[in-house]
Amino acid sequence: EVQLLESGGGLVQPGGSLRLSCVASGFTFSNYAMTWVRQAPGKGLQWVSAITDSGGSTKYADSVKGRFTISRDNSKNTLYLQMNSLGAEDTAVYYCAKAGLWGQGTLVTVSS
Amino acid sequence: DVVMTQSPLSLPVTLGQPASISCRSNQSLLYSDGNTYLNWFQQRPGQSPRRLIYQVSNRDSGVPDRFSGSGSGSDFTLKISRVEAEDVGVYYCMQGAYWPRTFGQGTKVEIK
Repeated sequence: EVQLLESGGGLVQPGGSLRLSCVASGFTFSNYAMTWVRQAPGKGLQWVSAITDSGGSTKYADSVKGRFTISRDNSKNTLYLQMNSLGAEDTAVYYCAKAGLWGQGTLVTVSS
Repeated sequence: DVVMTQSPLSLPVTLGQPASISCRSNQSLLYSDGNTYLNWFQQRPGQSPRRLIYQVSNRDSGVPDRFSGSGSGSDFTLKISRVEAEDVGVYYCMQGAYWPRTFGQGTKVEIK
């Protein structure tokens, strides 16, 4: 089955860090660019970051640049999002996506 | 950043009747490769987003043919020929021509 499965979300204190993972299955992961998109509670979709198929190029939204790092391990079919210096504004469901395929999301809550 | 503006933001529709959502960008989404990178996503209540349309008018696999996309440059439309109950949700346009990627605010489709 073609799917993306995110994990790593949870409750973290302001200023803390978290690493999200997204495991891909059912397709050749190394052939595709990947993206992270987030959705704050009750809000719309916000593009966060993207990475090329090889991992050689990355892009970030201004709101996360310098704090978040996207990476991938093609040998493990896994996409990552390292999130540092987290603030309340980062509270959201984080989705990984590949073109038309989205995961179920993982919730990140930043609160003391 | 490219600003994507959707209208209306709320769309009450009668079952079996057509519906139309507009999406406008403040820059042309025609890329140098000749393609126009405008996508439409559907998010049903409690679910992850799902891509319906890519490059203005191409339906993703499994998307009913009552959904159609049209437009060019900076003016785009998603049409549902006959609304069904399962079409309730929020619809987003997203541009893929510029970094960072940007989404419209979302249009909530509900049944009258």
